[in-house]
Amino acid sequence: EAGVAQSPRYKIIEKRQSVAFWCNPISGHATLYWYQQILGQGPKLLIQFQNNGVVDDSQLPKDRFSAERLKGVDSTLKIQPAKLEDSAVYLCASSLVLGYEQYFGPGTRLTVT
Amino acid sequence: QKEVEQNSGPLSVPEGAIASLNCTYSDRGSQSFFWYRQYSGKSPELIMSIYSNGDKEDGRFTAQLNKASQYVSLLIRDSQPSDSATYLCAVPLRGPNQGGKLIFGQGTELSVKP
Repeated sequence: EAGVAQSPRYKIIEKRQSVAFWCNPISGHATLYWYQQILGQGPKLLIQFQNNGVVDDSQLPKDRFSAERLKGVDSTLKIQPAKLEDSAVYLCASSLVLGYEQYFGPGTRLTVT
Repeated sequence: QKEVEQNSGPLSVPEGAIASLNCTYSDRGSQSFFWYRQYSGKSPELIMSIYSNGDKEDGRFTAQLNKASQYVSLLIRDSQPSDSATYLCAVPLRGPNQGGKLIFGQGTELSVKP
């Protein structure tokens, strides 16, 4: 069974530029999550989708971050404009059932200079 | 009080010893608990899930849950250098509109010395 796919794996941008990340969850997983992980910390949830609806986006900085999951499968996370403090690893995860085991993709390491 | 707390370590054990990783959580009604392993530069990998009080064993790994004490632990027997990683404890938030959002501890860094 294929795991969660993410791209790109690495991205370096300058502050105030925009960037987008893509995620393809495990086949059949209805729930998709985007996390931000800063070095030395546990992952922090940014947004959670159930099919193509948002379940929780309370931690998403909506003035600069946006995410969508239009057909209930793939998802994109966008940052515009980026700030230095957005430098982190962005992780996508999926789960079969809401609230249970989540499986992570390889992540995208973002560096904002 | 943080919702999920772990000792950040580093925890250093000799090869072949038992490594004990601890986690406490604040929501007394939590029902499910997860342990993830994260190697440096990699993403978290689910290694154990536990839902009932007591022990759950999987190979060299044993998860122990005590809901009365709001405490969950992970024991690694016969520790190997390849077990050196950060171990993350995660607990879903309950309640309406939470969607089972996972709250992670800050992780415990384990180092197994040959």
